[in-house]
Amino acid sequence: GAVVSQHPSRVICKSGTSVKIECRSLDFQATTMFWYRQFPKQSLMLMATSNEGSKATYEQGVEKDKFLINHASLTLSTLTVTSAHPEDSSFYICSALSPGGRNTGELFFGEGSRLTVL
Amino acid sequence: AQKVTQAQTEISVVEKEDVTLDCVYETRDTTYYLFWYKQPPSGELVFLIRRNSFDEQNEISGRYSWNFQKSTSSFNFTITASQVVDSAVYFCALSEAYSSASKIIFGSGTRLSIRP
Repeated sequence: GAVVSQHPSRVICKSGTSVKIECRSLDFQATTMFWYRQFPKQSLMLMATSNEGSKATYEQGVEKDKFLINHASLTLSTLTVTSAHPEDSSFYICSALSPGGRNTGELFFGEGSRLTVL
Repeated sequence: AQKVTQAQTEISVVEKEDVTLDCVYETRDTTYYLFWYKQPPSGELVFLIRRNSFDEQNEISGRYSWNFQKSTSSFNFTITASQVVDSAVYFCALSEAYSSASKIIFGSGTRLSIRP
């Protein structure tokens, strides 16, 4: 079964509203989680690294004020798309780094969340 | 800089044919990890394999096999006797082994269609 769960799997919202996506590690505590974005028929692009108890590290070109990341506990990271616009419509995927996997790249991916902004 | 290249954008074969998906990577690190993931139409990423840069042994898992050639910086994936259920997008990926975050860099993906 899934060890990383995302919610919601699909969300449709109006332009200008904010949307929160949750990423939970179910079987382990994850000090580090990653958020990816995938446009249709394209690859996954890393948006940011989420570290429990500290600020997220954003990749170049990703607006930190637009994509708020909160990693408040060892099993939960949230991505909030603020004042969403149609160009924010995308598939967002999170991944969690399993314990002992910091230097081995043992990542588990969530099922993804498809955001559609009208 | 790290880079993963999957030159084949789309591949279509008839069921039961063998198919090889190519992956070429670039990295300055001596220690790194290579991955293959499958993304079916439903969207979730399915982990297929992870390979340490020090382990050049080829691996076989059922109908799947992987050929790691460090000399050519390639990590190709072969599906033998393909089935319709193999239809998906396949991503090759690379991560540094000792980075502070072990970020995974994905290739652009190869869309594989298996025709009945």
